[in-house]
Amino acid sequence: NAGVTQTPKFHILKIGQSMTLQCTQDMNHNYMYWYRQDPGMGLKLIYYSVGAGITDKGEVPNGYNVSRSTTEDFPLRLELAAPSQTSVYFCASSLGGGLGNNEQFFGPGTRLTVL
Amino acid sequence: GENVGLHLPTLSVQEGDNSIINCAYSNSASDYFIWYKQESGKGPQFIIDIRSNMDKRQGQRVTVLLNKTVKHLSLQIAATQPGDSAVYFCAENIFGGYSTLTFGKGTMLLVSP
Repeated sequence: NAGVTQTPKFHILKIGQSMTLQCTQDMNHNYMYWYRQDPGMGLKLIYYSVGAGITDKGEVPNGYNVSRSTTEDFPLRLELAAPSQTSVYFCASSLGGGLGNNEQFFGPGTRLTVL
Repeated sequence: GENVGLHLPTLSVQEGDNSIINCAYSNSASDYFIWYKQESGKGPQFIIDIRSNMDKRQGQRVTVLLNKTVKHLSLQIAATQPGDSAVYFCAENIFGGYSTLTFGKGTMLLVSP
């Protein structure tokens, strides 16, 4: 199993540009998540999905969009990038969301800079 | 608002010492907690979890203690090694329509040989 994979590893965007961060998991997990991590801070939940076709907002969804057309993939879309979106983005997945099923497995992260 | 936080941002220990990393939480409805380890340039990695019906749980060289009375969580690492150097996060599971994790800010553990 590759686990959770993310692409790209690094990217520089210009203000106002758009891009999609890719995330794939091969563990047949139902739940997937996108977090952002600012320097010296913890992770903040952007969006999550409990299954194909179902997504919901997390703590900091503004400026982002997601889709979940398959169990494996959960891309994160940035529209009209702003400097405030400079961060490290982590994708994660878990088998479920209930007790004992919520161990989240994280990808290696995408370091995004908006200039 | 309710949040998960940490008392000490940086903890420096000598190799072989025992380390204790603390975490305070404020949501009394949280009933599941996880500790994650994040090495530089990598994603967080699960260490150990505990349910609110337990006070203590042990893993390999790690122990998590939960004190629900004062809403406090701690991670104890025995015989700390240089490879334990990382940022450690506690996270709480808050049940809503679907449960998600809320992470604290993290504590940096520095282990000197």
